[in-house]
Amino acid sequence: DIQMTQSPSSLSASVGDRVTITCRASQSISSYLNWYQQKPGKAPKLLIYAASSLQSGVPSRFSGSGSGTDFTLTISSLQPEDFATYYCQQSYSTPRITFGPGTKVDIK
Amino acid sequence: QVQLVQSGAEVKKPGASVKVSCKASGYTFTSYYMHWVRQAPGQGLEWMGIINPSGGSTSYAQKFQGRVTMTRDTSTSTVYMELSSLRSEDTAVYYCARTSPSGSSAFDIWGQGTMVTVSS
Repeated sequence: DIQMTQSPSSLSASVGDRVTITCRASQSISSYLNWYQQKPGKAPKLLIYAASSLQSGVPSRFSGSGSGTDFTLTISSLQPEDFATYYCQQSYSTPRITFGPGTKVDIK
Repeated sequence: QVQLVQSGAEVKKPGASVKVSCKASGYTFTSYYMHWVRQAPGQGLEWMGIINPSGGSTSYAQKFQGRVTMTRDTSTSTVYMELSSLRSEDTAVYYCARTSPSGSSAFDIWGQGTMVTVSS
């Protein structure tokens, strides 16, 4: 199975900060990388698919980049509603999907 | 609107089975594969398997092979996930999630989650 890692595992940031989360795959997954946001007690929400495509309805402060094994999720200006846990997910080996361990973003 | 509505919370004893339902609405049920994902308390997301609502074919994560069965009922636009031989480690929130029509195999619509508690 393809293993996914994320860094950092957690971070503290302030409203207005630029935040970057990194995801790495154990082998090349081309651009088959998706990002989700999850708030406590809620289901995950799709933010970015195919590494860099913004899901409909998601604010443009969210962006994704990368291909191969290294990927990045960037929040250009952190808003109060963005404090959450973020997961990357590879869909290269569909149907055998794997998720990263998550990155928790909390308030500094 | 497009939505997935799951069945309610369950409490089961070790060794029992649980069957969780996920009813789809607002789109053509047979057009999009459905996945099941679980999340143990305070932990990350774990993919369990996938079902094709059209033909009923399935593929399961190796970890759950032999214990999980995914089925569907096209007459009610509902998919089911049954997990048997439950143990305490199966205590988790179970989600169904639809494969996005974008072609990326991302999960664009999620159910609200079903809490399954395994306790003696």
